[in-house]
Amino acid sequence: QKEVEQDPGPLSVPEGAIVSLNCTYSNSAFQYFMWYRQYSRKGPELLMYTYSSGNKEDGRFTAQVDKSSKYISLFIRDSQPSDSATYLCAMRYNNAGNMLTFGGGTRLMVKP
Amino acid sequence: DTAVSQTPKYLVTQMGNDKSIKCEQNLGHDTMYWYKQDSKKFLKIMFSYNNKELIINETVPNRFSPKSPDKAHLNLHINSLELGDSAVYFCASSEGQGARYFGPGTRLTVT
Repeated sequence: QKEVEQDPGPLSVPEGAIVSLNCTYSNSAFQYFMWYRQYSRKGPELLMYTYSSGNKEDGRFTAQVDKSSKYISLFIRDSQPSDSATYLCAMRYNNAGNMLTFGGGTRLMVKP
Repeated sequence: DTAVSQTPKYLVTQMGNDKSIKCEQNLGHDTMYWYKQDSKKFLKIMFSYNNKELIINETVPNRFSPKSPDKAHLNLHINSLELGDSAVYFCASSEGQGARYFGPGTRLTVT
């Protein structure tokens, strides 16, 4: 079992839908959580960076961390075709020595 | 203004050859990385350099050697390329243990 799990998808939604992307993890020592968006044949782009539990909002994006359930989510409101990409979650311990553990990514397709 | 750049973007070569990938960041970050992304999209760290010192070296074959001439550059040299080395290689940088900023990737195909 991998340390960080993501459903690979693809997840297909109509334009304007609310999208929920999720990761589960097994190690309760993870403290910092990130979401990256990766377009086809491009590098991952940082979307959200959160510490410990709670919510963080940035425009149409909301990151949610539930450490008690070892579960993190990324919500996208009013999804657009330009949101079509692979979304990767990543996390690390407090004194990780630069180690960052990635999920395998969820492919999202937003249809016009 | 490209924050993290890498060259070449595509690299097609034959087994047994030696090749290099170059990376540069203009963010002033003190840590740089090389990641490998396989066909299933998993990103795995290969190396991390902090102020020109190697601080992580995961179980990567010694055919792979990172070289950092200065804080803004981290190159990757690969000797005796094998079919299994085919992947996308990403350079990244960060300030301390912060979020990684990735380059556009180098798609390596070994035939």
